Amino acid sequence: EIVLTQSPGTLSLSPGERATLSCRASQRVTDNQLAWYQQKSGQAPRLLIYGISKRIAGIPDRFSGSGSGTDFTLSISRLDPEDFAVYYCQQYDNSVWTFGQGTKVEIK
Amino acid sequence: EVRLVESGGNLVQPGGSLRLSCATSGFTFRDFSMDWVRQAPGKRLEWISHISTGSNTIYYADSVRGRFTISRDNAENSLYLQMNSLRDEDTGVYYCASGFLDNSFNYWGQGTLVTVSS
Repeated sequence: EIVLTQSPGTLSLSPGERATLSCRASQRVTDNQLAWYQQKSGQAPRLLIYGISKRIAGIPDRFSGSGSGTDFTLSISRLDPEDFAVYYCQQYDNSVWTFGQGTKVEIK
Repeated sequence: EVRLVESGGNLVQPGGSLRLSCATSGFTFRDFSMDWVRQAPGKRLEWISHISTGSNTIYYADSVRGRFTISRDNAENSLYLQMNSLRDEDTGVYYCASGFLDNSFNYWGQGTLVTVSS
């Protein structure tokens, strides 16, 4: 089973700043099957990015995904007040889906 | 509009059973594989089970294999999770989810709360 480790645990930033979130896999991710989700308190997760860098329709272009192999990044170019939330990475391999432990982006 | 609505969550004693349901609308249910994902309080998301469109392929996480059973009714556009031998660590919000984009989940329900406690 591939384990995903996200860093940092918490990111304290101000609106308008850039956020860079990291997701590291214990093994190479298969077929670029790496996604990112946003979850706000009391809500279901929302898919932002799939296939490492493909943005879901309706997701603002300030969100971007990058990386390969075992190291992946979610970037938010200019934080909007609505972007403060917890972000999870997720991968699929060999009949198992796993999630990272999350990065909380909070208002500084 | 795509809708997934879970139900059946409740307070149950350790060792007890519960059946969750997920009613769907707004998409062609029979064409989509479906999954259950749970989240313990303050914890990460945890995928627990997957079922293919025709129910011929089913997967479980090690943490629930042998205790939980996933099923679906394509005529009723519904997904189910039978949970037996419940443990304290099964407590959490249970989401039904689906997707078709590189094994990610782009449709989610609002979740149903399962509490296992004596």
